[in-house]
Amino acid sequence: QSALTQPASVSGSPGQSITISCTGTSSDIGSYNLVSWYQQHPGKAPKLMIYEVYKRPSGISNRFSGSKFGNKASLTISGLQAEDEADYYCCSYAGSSTWVFGGGTQLTVL
Amino acid sequence: QVQLVESGGGVVQPGRSLRLSCAASGFTFSSYGTHWVRQAPGKGLEWVAFIWYDEIKKHYADSVKGRFTVSRDNSKNTLYLQMNSLRAEDTAVYYCAREDPTINDAFDMWGQGTLVTVSS
Repeated sequence: QSALTQPASVSGSPGQSITISCTGTSSDIGSYNLVSWYQQHPGKAPKLMIYEVYKRPSGISNRFSGSKFGNKASLTISGLQAEDEADYYCCSYAGSSTWVFGGGTQLTVL
Repeated sequence: QVQLVESGGGVVQPGRSLRLSCAASGFTFSSYGTHWVRQAPGKGLEWVAFIWYDEIKKHYADSVKGRFTVSRDNSKNTLYLQMNSLRAEDTAVYYCAREDPTINDAFDMWGQGTLVTVSS
């Protein structure tokens, strides 16, 4: 149950697009189309942004999109806005009813 | 109001026990699998445990297996986490999270969290 690998930080200017990567293994991301992404503002609970690799829950802006290739998943945020500044975590189902999170990426909107 | 509310956190000495609760409201709790996820101070999220909607199956992260027990009382709309033999590395905010059966293997609702501090 090793954590998924995410960059510690990414940044972008308002209106730009950024991509956060999430690298796992053939036992988690590579085996299941069950990657989810969470946004967490300081002192707040995480919020589901993407599930099943690319699907958006009701109410989530289409500026958020997800993808996966092999053992690597990605979250892209287009048209960056100030309120997007937060920590982002990926998560993957890892088999046998266990889940694994990434270490988190701090997004700074310049 | 649809929500999850955790309680039971606090300061506890190493080796002692603590039980967390998570009260659900505004939805049919008995239809949802539920998880515990924790976050050490300044660190990332860590999945801890999962219990099926009917309590038939329970699953744990290796880091807590044998020490933590997840349970639920659907008549009280409440999820529990019994934590025994606590260690300093168990210090974290503990969140309960719901897994909507229509959203596979993702956590669509979270509580506000309860802080557990393990210290002598």
